[in-house]
Amino acid sequence: GQNIDQPTEMTATEGAIVQINCTYQTSGFNGLFWYQQHAGEAPTFLSYNVLDGLEEKGRFSSFLSRSKGYSYLLLKELQMKDSASYLCAVMDSNYQLIWGAGTKLIIKP
Amino acid sequence: EADIYQTPRYLVIGTGKKITLECSQTMGHDKMYWYQQDPGMELHLIHYSYGVNSTEKGDLSSESTVSRIRTEHFPLTLESARPSHTSQYLCASSDSKRETGELFFGEGSRLTVL
Repeated sequence: GQNIDQPTEMTATEGAIVQINCTYQTSGFNGLFWYQQHAGEAPTFLSYNVLDGLEEKGRFSSFLSRSKGYSYLLLKELQMKDSASYLCAVMDSNYQLIWGAGTKLIIKP
Repeated sequence: EADIYQTPRYLVIGTGKKITLECSQTMGHDKMYWYQQDPGMELHLIHYSYGVNSTEKGDLSSESTVSRIRTEHFPLTLESARPSHTSQYLCASSDSKRETGELFFGEGSRLTVL
């Protein structure tokens, strides 16, 4: 079967750096997405990786290794507003998105 | 930025009722999706559409139907609601011409079936 694994919950301190990992096993690969979802709200798009390497976008970066079936989302200079769930999703060979359950990130002052 | 709207935002109904959740987008996106999401759980695809008069079933489609008569409109109907349908329903759209093809989500419809 297809599955996406990411930690259920992480805690970090305001101003620090946190890395959220995602491993995947899917039938084919056509890209990996990270979304942010605040409690009670809809997911919003953060990043997209289709080639190996690091994509940087402001305080957020996303890394992909296709050979390892692994990605991470790196958040720098954490702010309280970064408290949210972070969803990893992989597009499989049929161009369907397979979603992880999300990592709830708690930021403490 | 996202111009995708869902109604109602919240709905409480009794078992056996027929309900329709509305979803409209003004971005001209060709693809549209319905997802179900329970707290702390992954999104499950219910139905999707690649364009007008195109609808496909996802993983959780057996108790609902959709239609895509117009590009901007993608309603979801539950013929007979049950307590197991209590959940958050998220509508999304995407543009197949965009390189990343990311989804834009509506704010969701939270359904409670008593």
